[in-house]
Amino acid sequence: QSALTQPASVSGSPGQSITISCTGTSSDVGSYNFVSWYQQHPGKAPKLMIYDGSKRPSGVSNRFSGSKSGNTASLTIYGLQAEDEADYYCCSYAGLSTWVFGGGTKLTVL
Amino acid sequence: QLQLQESGPGLVKPSETLSLTCTVSGGSISSYFWSWIRQPPGEGLEWIGNIYYSGSTSYNPSLKSRVTISVHSSKKQFSLRLSSVTAADTAMYYCARDVFDWSSDGFDIWGQGTMVTVSS
Repeated sequence: QSALTQPASVSGSPGQSITISCTGTSSDVGSYNFVSWYQQHPGKAPKLMIYDGSKRPSGVSNRFSGSKSGNTASLTIYGLQAEDEADYYCCSYAGLSTWVFGGGTKLTVL
Repeated sequence: QLQLQESGPGLVKPSETLSLTCTVSGGSISSYFWSWIRQPPGEGLEWIGNIYYSGSTSYNPSLKSRVTISVHSSKKQFSLRLSSVTAADTAMYYCARDVFDWSSDGFDIWGQGTMVTVSS
């Protein structure tokens, strides 16, 4: 069971859109529609932003959107705001009742 | 609303056993999976394992030989034991609720985390 692959960092200016990729394998991301995304600000616990690949929990801005194609899931943030600057992690069900996280992506809002 | 709170020693000696408890308040422990997730300083998240409220468990294969998760439903608590710890086990440890039910999945509620340092 290997960690999902995410870019170490991405950046964008306020108002722009960015996409964070999360690449797994046919044993995890590619096999299940159970990809979730988490936002983590420094010193805080992670917060669920997307579940089931593309669904938003109540209270999460519709500027956050999730998708999946094959073994790669993606998180897109539209209309970047300063408050979006944080670390983002993807997670996938990996079969046999196990879960695997990505290595995390640091988003910088320029 | 439902809240989770981790508790346990912040310092554990090498080769000893790390023990943490997560207390569920403001809601039921029934009908959900309850997970432990850790994050070494400056690093990413790692799923350690989970327990269903009924007691069935699943563990990360890389930690399986050292991990035990148990539940105490009447106390609305679940616990983590990690044996033979080394410095590599130094991390922030989070407990979280997983809504997994084969139609949906996500860790929707997290505790604030508790930092555990392994050092003599």
